[in-house]
Amino acid sequence: AQTVTQSQPEMSVQEAETVTLSCTYDTSESDYYLFWYKQPPSRQMILVIRQEAYKQQNATENRFSVNFQKAAKSFSLKISDSQLGDAAMYFCAYRSAASGTYKYIFGTGTRLKVLA
Amino acid sequence: DADVTQTPRNRITKTGKRIMLECSQTKGHDRMYWYRQDPGLGLRLIYYSFDVKDINKGEISDGYSVSRQAQAKFSLSLESAIPNQTALYFCATSDFTGRETQYFGPGTRLLVL
Repeated sequence: AQTVTQSQPEMSVQEAETVTLSCTYDTSESDYYLFWYKQPPSRQMILVIRQEAYKQQNATENRFSVNFQKAAKSFSLKISDSQLGDAAMYFCAYRSAASGTYKYIFGTGTRLKVLA
Repeated sequence: DADVTQTPRNRITKTGKRIMLECSQTKGHDRMYWYRQDPGLGLRLIYYSFDVKDINKGEISDGYSVSRQAQAKFSLSLESAIPNQTALYFCATSDFTGRETQYFGPGTRLLVL
């Protein structure tokens, strides 16, 4: 069975600095999707970034980028120029690309604090 | 307007009561999901539905039931609420156009006394 591990329960970063959140996963599959979701105090789950496993190029969305290491089964999120509004819980998620698959597997989350 | 809405946003109930959480979406997605979130445990899948006639149990379905009234509506019921069902509940949708991204509602915070 697939698992997703976020080993950092909490991280802090100074405003305008860069921070990297770690995520590792375990799977025997070769084709899958990986996601980072942000959950601010409003509780809303917001998609931050998405990566297809068959793409070698790392996904980027403005100040957010990932370091996808397929062989190492690692999917870290880098936030550049951190802003106060980036403070939130961040969840890493995995989804198989196999036909008929329904399940998204979430990590336990990393709480990011942004210090002014 | 939000694409995925949940009602109520907050609910306090007593042990043994039946309650229903409702979810509606305007994204036109066929797939809908119910999750619960507990501190330190991430999100766990309760039920999912691929269309109106297709409903399936997730990993923690005991004590819950669902109804897919229409493509856009997916309700979660707690037949007899118990305190360990106190949690944050999320509805989500996804399509199968290849992007496989889930879109979440704002969540319902449930407290069972």
